[in-house]
Amino acid sequence: RKEVEQDPGPFNVPEGATVAFNCTYSNSASQSFFWYRQDCRKEPKLLMSVYSSGNEDGRFTAQLNRASQYISLLIRDSKLSDSATYLCVVNPWGKLQFGAGTQVVVTP
Amino acid sequence: DAGVTQSPTHLIKTRGQHVTLRCSPISGHKSVSWYQQVLGQGPQFIFQYYEKEERGRGNFPDRFSARQFPNYSSELNVNALLLGDSALYLCASSLPTGTEGGYTFGSGTRLTVV
Repeated sequence: RKEVEQDPGPFNVPEGATVAFNCTYSNSASQSFFWYRQDCRKEPKLLMSVYSSGNEDGRFTAQLNRASQYISLLIRDSKLSDSATYLCVVNPWGKLQFGAGTQVVVTP
Repeated sequence: DAGVTQSPTHLIKTRGQHVTLRCSPISGHKSVSWYQQVLGQGPQFIFQYYEKEERGRGNFPDRFSARQFPNYSSELNVNALLLGDSALYLCASSLPTGTEGGYTFGSGTRLTVV
């Protein structure tokens, strides 16, 4: 079983629509959680940290369910520039564990 | 402020050769981690260093080694290169636990082994 599992997609989303996807993780000792965005052949960039209480950053909302070991990301009012691969990341003691990523393609 | 800088950006090596990759963290960050990203997969943890000491090692063979210098920069060394070592090698820097502000990645070194 992979440490972090994500639906690879692609999720094809019309511009302006809402898209949501999630990941599951296996290491219950994970202390912190993140969503990173990665554009083709570029480095991952931090999109947002994820907290148990849920948190928003503009059009992005993240949720964490520690009991189910489940993390979600919702993107509202999708923009063309949101097209990217979204990496779910968990952090057990500084050794980041990445999912393989969910590809999102926003179409005009 | 400069972000995480890595060098070289691209590298082509022959099987059996040795390679050294370099990373300079963000000023004030004392923790540096190395990751390998093969095409189509998420990054895989290789090493973490903090204050020049190894704090963690991923499931990689002994051909992989690293060190951190007094100025917190780091080197990743790979000996006896194999075709399967072809990947994007990413360096990340962070505050000690990484929980404050997450991890910032450099633009990576793309290694091709032929």
